[in-house]
Amino acid sequence: KAGVTQTPRYLIKTRGQQVTLSCSPISGHRSVSWYQQTPGQGLQFLFEYFSETQRNKGNFPGRFSGRQFSNSRSEMNVSTLELGDSALYLCASSLVAGSDTQYFGPGTRLTVL
Amino acid sequence: QQQVKQSPQSLIVQKGGISIINCAYENTAFDYFPWYQQFPGKGPALLIAIRPDVSEKKEGRFTISFNKSAKQFSLHIMDSQPGDSATYFCAALHSGTYKYIFGTGTRLKVLA
Repeated sequence: KAGVTQTPRYLIKTRGQQVTLSCSPISGHRSVSWYQQTPGQGLQFLFEYFSETQRNKGNFPGRFSGRQFSNSRSEMNVSTLELGDSALYLCASSLVAGSDTQYFGPGTRLTVL
Repeated sequence: QQQVKQSPQSLIVQKGGISIINCAYENTAFDYFPWYQQFPGKGPALLIAIRPDVSEKKEGRFTISFNKSAKQFSLHIMDSQPGDSATYFCAALHSGTYKYIFGTGTRLKVLA
């Protein structure tokens, strides 16, 4: 079974631009969560989707948004990029969520210049 | 209340030694405590997990010890190997929220 895939793997943007990251969960998994990973802060929860509905979100500004499609694939969007948005963005999928095992993708490394 | 505090930030252990990483939490609603292992360039991978009704769980060389009254849990890696060199994250989940809270990570280096 294929793992969680994230595209693109690397991205360089400039301040003020917007970016869209994509995540394809493991086949059959319906829950997708997004995290921001930075050296100082560790993994910070962004949001979680299940059956196209956002069930929870973390403490990030409204510039960070996401969605999930009927095939469980998910995208996250960051508008008006700031230097501090440079990070590794990780997507994780699980069957339903809660305490189901989360399987992480390799992440998208975003650099904002 | 939503924080999970992890220590130490980094750890160096000799091959064959025991690696111990500690985490503490405040929110008593957390009901699932996983540990993740992350190698450079890879996403975190679940290593072992425990629920608060159990005080210890062992899987191979990896053991979680859980102290509910102290609101602390720890990962013990027995007979540490150079291949265990990675970053380890503890996490906590309140199942009803679908929101994992992660510790800040421990970078483990096992010397050959």
